[in-house]
Amino acid sequence: SQTIHQWPATLVQPVGSPLSLECTVEGTSNPNLYWYRQAAGRGLQLLFYSVGIGQISSEVPQNLSASRPQDRQFILSSKKLLLSDSGFYLCAWSRVSQDSPLHFGNGTRLTVT
Amino acid sequence: AQSVTQLDSQVPVFEEAPVELRCNYSSSVSVYLFWYVQYPNQGLQLLLKYLSGSTLVKGINGFEAEFNKSQTSFHLRKPSVHISDTAEYFCAVKKYNYGQNFVFGPGTRLSVLP
Repeated sequence: SQTIHQWPATLVQPVGSPLSLECTVEGTSNPNLYWYRQAAGRGLQLLFYSVGIGQISSEVPQNLSASRPQDRQFILSSKKLLLSDSGFYLCAWSRVSQDSPLHFGNGTRLTVT
Repeated sequence: AQSVTQLDSQVPVFEEAPVELRCNYSSSVSVYLFWYVQYPNQGLQLLLKYLSGSTLVKGINGFEAEFNKSQTSFHLRKPSVHISDTAEYFCAVKKYNYGQNFVFGPGTRLSVLP
């Protein structure tokens, strides 16, 4: 069966510090990978998605970036965090087929102080 | 543009009572439809999905949903809720053959009261 791992679960970082969140998927190959952000009391905002190694699509301009160095690894980064970057970050994967649902990790609670 | 509306931001209901969480969407093309549940500080878990065929779909934890194409709705129902059903529920749509863009509704907070 497929599993998705996301870490860390919680993170407190000062403004201006760098960020690296990692996500890996097991049990499947060539998945589509996604990063979402969920701000307090709000819905999900798609940040990035990837259909293959090195292929990243950005949905929202911001100071965040994503990379996919391996087939089942997806990394969310920032060089300098802003207060507005605080939120709940969710990694997800789906199969390539159009009717495949998203499968989410357990999320990372990021607090920028 | 595609959009998903969940009219009720909060739904309080007593334990063992029935519940319906509403979802309406707008799209000029056919869509796939999904309901997810999110417990506090956790990721989203798939409850059920409508891809094609029978308009009544059953999911996990006793939930079901009915797709109504004419009303562009996909309401979620459960005949008898439990305290453990207290969570946030999200409706999502994805267009047929249109990349990987899932559009989520704003969510409905279901609170089951003893």
